[in-house]
Amino acid sequence: AQSVSQHNHHVILSEAASLELGCNYSYGGTVNLFWYVQYPGQHLQLLLKYFSGDPLVKGIKGFEAEFIKSKFSFNLRKPSVQWSDTAEYFCAVKSNFGNEKLTFGTGTRLTIIP
Amino acid sequence: DVKVTQSSRYLVKRTGEKVFLECVQDMDHENMFWYRQDPGLGLRLIYFSYDVKMKEKGDIPEGYSVSREKKERFSLILESASTNQTSMYLCASSLVPDSNEQFFGPGTRLTVL
Repeated sequence: AQSVSQHNHHVILSEAASLELGCNYSYGGTVNLFWYVQYPGQHLQLLLKYFSGDPLVKGIKGFEAEFIKSKFSFNLRKPSVQWSDTAEYFCAVKSNFGNEKLTFGTGTRLTIIP
Repeated sequence: DVKVTQSSRYLVKRTGEKVFLECVQDMDHENMFWYRQDPGLGLRLIYFSYDVKMKEKGDIPEGYSVSREKKERFSLILESASTNQTSMYLCASSLVPDSNEQFFGPGTRLTVL
């Protein structure tokens, strides 16, 4: 069965710092990968997704993620964070084979200090 | 824009009560999902539905049931609420079978006393 690991549980950064949140998955076949974000008091929303093609994916609000198949990773990056990026971030994976559902990681809480 | 609404943002119930959580989507989506979200555990799938009157168990169905009488509405039922069901419950919908992009509602924070 597929699984997702997010090793950073809580990350605290100052504004303008660079961000990288780790995401590793366990499934060996073809996968689709996602990052969702949940701002305080708001619903979960899609930040970016990878289905195929260019492994560097750009999403909303200046976020990007790189799919590295050999490392089973899909890390989220942003060169310069803002206070408004304070949120919880979830990585998710779904295999393209069989009936596997979307599997979420445990989430990373990001706190940006002004 | 897709809109997924949930009947309550906050709910407080007593142990043993029967609890209904309602979810409605307005974009004619085929698939609907119920998750619970707990700190340190992420989102875990309870039940999902690909069509009216169809339901399938997710990863943690014990203590829950669902109902989908109409395409736009998916209800989660706690037959006899227990304190370990205190959680945030999220409903989601997606357009096509096994579609990966899911649209989420605002969540219902349920407290069982």
